[in-house]
Amino acid sequence: AQSVTQLDSQVPVFEEAPVELRCNYSSSVSVYLFWYVQYPNQGLQLLLKYLSGSTLVKSINGFEAEFNKSQTSFHLRKPSVHISDTAEYFCAVRSYGGATNKLIFGTGTLLAVQP
Amino acid sequence: NAGVTQTPKFQVLKTGQSMTLQCAQDMNHNSMYWYRQDPGMGLRLIYYSASEGTTDKGEVPNGYNVSRLNKREFSLRLESAAPSQTSVYFCASSEQGQGPGELFFGEGSRLTVL
Repeated sequence: AQSVTQLDSQVPVFEEAPVELRCNYSSSVSVYLFWYVQYPNQGLQLLLKYLSGSTLVKSINGFEAEFNKSQTSFHLRKPSVHISDTAEYFCAVRSYGGATNKLIFGTGTLLAVQP
Repeated sequence: NAGVTQTPKFQVLKTGQSMTLQCAQDMNHNSMYWYRQDPGMGLRLIYYSASEGTTDKGEVPNGYNVSRLNKREFSLRLESAAPSQTSVYFCASSEQGQGPGELFFGEGSRLTVL
């Protein structure tokens, strides 16, 4: 069975500081990996995804994530955060080639950017 | 572009009452989903519909029923609400159920069961 672990439920950080949100997954088959963001009182929206090819993927607003197959990780990073990045971030995994292909979400990490 | 529209946005029920959450998407997507979001538990899949005319159980289907009315609409029904069903419910859609397709979410329906 596949699973996703986000160990940090909340990450406080000062504006303009770097941040890393951690995500580890477990799957016996190949995976697609996603980061979704949820701003207050809104639904989730896709931030970035890894499907294949280059293991480093980037979003339009400065976030990036690197797929590390040996560590089964897909950590999200940003070199300098803004107040507007305050949101909850969800890592998600979808296996393919196996018996189940459902999208499984982690429990989320609240990024709280302080001035 | 409306995307995914959910109604109602807020609802308060008494234990034992029934209600239906409505969801409609205007992106001509084949697959639709209902999730519930609870603090510290992330999103859990209740039911999904891979294509018009099909529905399948997700992780937490007990106490819920769904109807895929047509390609656009996917409703979630609580027949006899319980306090454990207090949650925020999200409807989502994607072009296809399998593969790397992005999910598009509605803004959520906040349900409180007293």
